[in-house]
Amino acid sequence: KQEVTQIPAALSVPEGENLVLNCSFTDSAIYNLQWFRQDPGKGLTSLLLIQSSQREQTSGRLNASLDKSSGRSTLYIAASQPGDSATYLCAVSGNTPLVFGKGTRLSVIA
Amino acid sequence: ETGVTQTPRHLVMGMTNKKSLKCEQHLGHNAMYWYKQSAKKPLELMFVYNFKEQTENNSVPSRFSPECPNSSHLFLHLHTLQPEDSALYLCASSQSHTSLRETQYFGPGTRLLVL
Repeated sequence: KQEVTQIPAALSVPEGENLVLNCSFTDSAIYNLQWFRQDPGKGLTSLLLIQSSQREQTSGRLNASLDKSSGRSTLYIAASQPGDSATYLCAVSGNTPLVFGKGTRLSVIA
Repeated sequence: ETGVTQTPRHLVMGMTNKKSLKCEQHLGHNAMYWYKQSAKKPLELMFVYNFKEQTENNSVPSRFSPECPNSSHLFLHLHTLQPEDSALYLCASSQSHTSLRETQYFGPGTRLLVL
């Protein structure tokens, strides 16, 4: 059974810092990995989707990497801003629909 | 806006009530999903519908009853719920459930409180 773990559970950084969020999964037989953002009490917004054949994806200040063999992904956020404060969720798709981690709650302090 | 809407946004109900959650997607997708998000737990998949047919029921108690009359609408009928069913219920859609390489688009959720 696929399990997804996200570390750290919470993170607080000053504005302008670069930061890395970590995601690990137990079954490397995945089709893709996605990073989502969730604002308090809101739904999820897809940030980046990495297919299993890819190593990374970039969108603006966000860069996500995937090491399928080791079951790891990182989300790098450059020059963090207070507007980046949210919970970031990692999810993998394999033989079953998306399996999610518990998320990392990020606070960027102005 | 994600193109997926959910109503109501907030719901308070007693354990003997019957209520329904509604989801509508305006993206022309063929697959729709119900998820449950409880405090301090990962998002849990509940049901999957593909072309109006239920393709997955993730061992959900019968007090939750889904309905998918067409590819654009998805309902979750609730009856005799328990306080532990209080959670954020999220609806999502994707082009097709058979292609697991696609992203899902989520609605804003319904915050449910069972008293």
